[in-house]
Amino acid sequence: QKEVEQNSGPLSVPEGAIASLNCTYSDRGSQSFFWYRQYSGKSPELIMFIYSNGDKEDGRFTAQLNKASQYVSLLIRDSQPSDSATYLCAVPVSSGGSYIPTFGRGTSLIVHP
Amino acid sequence: EPEVTQTPSHQVTQMGQEVILRCVPISNHLYFYWYRQILGQKVEFLVSFYNNEISEKSEIFDDQFSVERPDGSNFTLKIRSTKLEDSAMYFCASSESGGGAEYFGPGTRLLVL
Repeated sequence: QKEVEQNSGPLSVPEGAIASLNCTYSDRGSQSFFWYRQYSGKSPELIMFIYSNGDKEDGRFTAQLNKASQYVSLLIRDSQPSDSATYLCAVPVSSGGSYIPTFGRGTSLIVHP
Repeated sequence: EPEVTQTPSHQVTQMGQEVILRCVPISNHLYFYWYRQILGQKVEFLVSFYNNEISEKSEIFDDQFSVERPDGSNFTLKIRSTKLEDSAMYFCASSESGGGAEYFGPGTRLLVL
C-alpha cells in the first residue's frame, strides 16, 4: 500500500529557532505535495504546496522537495509559539488509475518561549 | 476572505440512523471533497466530486455513503445506517483546480451512540 510517512514527534524547538519537518512518500508517480497545519480541534489549513524539485519559499516557510529520494520537508524559520500545531503532509497517491489525496499522520511541533 | 462552511458543527445520532452533513464550498471552486478524521488518527479521504459526479472515492466510501450537490451552493454527505465506528470529524474541502491546494471547512463532529 502506498504510504505517506511522518515522524509523529513531538518536535520541540525554542522560539526563534528553525523547525524542520520531514515527510516521505512511497508513490514515485506523485507529482504534487502539500503541507497543512492543524491546530488541536481545528481543521487542516493549507500552508504550502510544491510541485518541482528544489526549494519554495513563502515568508517564514520553505518547502523542499527531492523526488529522487521521495521526501518533502517543511522548514519554519524564526519559530513562534503560535506555530505550535500538528503539521500534515499530503500527497496524491495513485490508486486504480486515479489519484487519492493521502495524508500522513502529522508531526506535532511545540515551540517553547 | 472566502471560506468553506459546514453545518451542523456537532451531530449526535443513534446507531442505525441516517445523517446528512452539509457543506457550502467556496463559490468559484469546482472540486469538492469529503474527508474524515477519527479522534487521534490521520485525515482520511472519502470522496471527491466534480462536474456533478464522483471523480474518486476511497475504500471507506462504500454503499453506506453518498454525496449530492442538490443546488448550486450546497454539497452534502449522507451516511446511512450509522455505526459506532462512524464517529469522527468530517471535513468538507474545495479547490479551484483539482490538483490539490484544498481549503477545508471547520468540520462536523459526528458522534454515534
